[in-house]
Amino acid sequence: QQQVKQSPQSLIVQKGGISIINCAYENTAFDYFPWYQQFPGKGPALLIAIRPDVSEKKEGRFTISFNKSAKQFSLHIMDSQPGDSATYFCAAVYNFNKFYFGSGTKLNVKP
Amino acid sequence: DTGVSQDPRHKITKRGQNVTFRCDPISEHNRLYWYRQTLGQGPEFLTYFQNEAQLEKSRLLSDRFSAERPKGSFSTLEIQRTEQGDSAMYLCASSFETVQETQYFGPGTRLLVL
Repeated sequence: QQQVKQSPQSLIVQKGGISIINCAYENTAFDYFPWYQQFPGKGPALLIAIRPDVSEKKEGRFTISFNKSAKQFSLHIMDSQPGDSATYFCAAVYNFNKFYFGSGTKLNVKP
Repeated sequence: DTGVSQDPRHKITKRGQNVTFRCDPISEHNRLYWYRQTLGQGPEFLTYFQNEAQLEKSRLLSDRFSAERPKGSFSTLEIQRTEQGDSAMYLCASSFETVQETQYFGPGTRLLVL
């Protein structure tokens, strides 16, 4: 059973546009929600993360929006750049230790 | 480079052969995790260590899989009698015990079983 559902599977955005990736979860015991960025041939790298007592977190062009009642969270990439083209994974973490990853979104930012 | 390293980066083997992968975590990190990632999917948890103790194993980790971290530093993941379904990227990650939610991933070992 998939613990975290991620959408869309792929996304094409023009340079300067906003990229939005969504994730949903069921288990209310999750206590940490990170986003990872993965380039081809590399391991995932932590991008930004949020705890469930916060509704929004912003770091530079990256923002997480968290809706605890809907059990949904999303990543917004403002002013998307070609260098942002990568696969993005959301995750939900239990006990700050057990990670459940979404299936990934392949982002392509066109120049 | 002081990040997580994995060796080899690529491995091609024939079905039925045994393979072993190595992970060197960031030196100060006492937690080490193994994940499996298949094409188009996110990483799936396999097992993790705190120092040399293996604290949890996923049910994905069949009897053919074994992991060790003998001195609490590097770790090995061995797959015996490989099957074509074992073809995947095997990722290692490490973290501090006190900041365990921040996992740093290595580049992975891509396994292809023919």
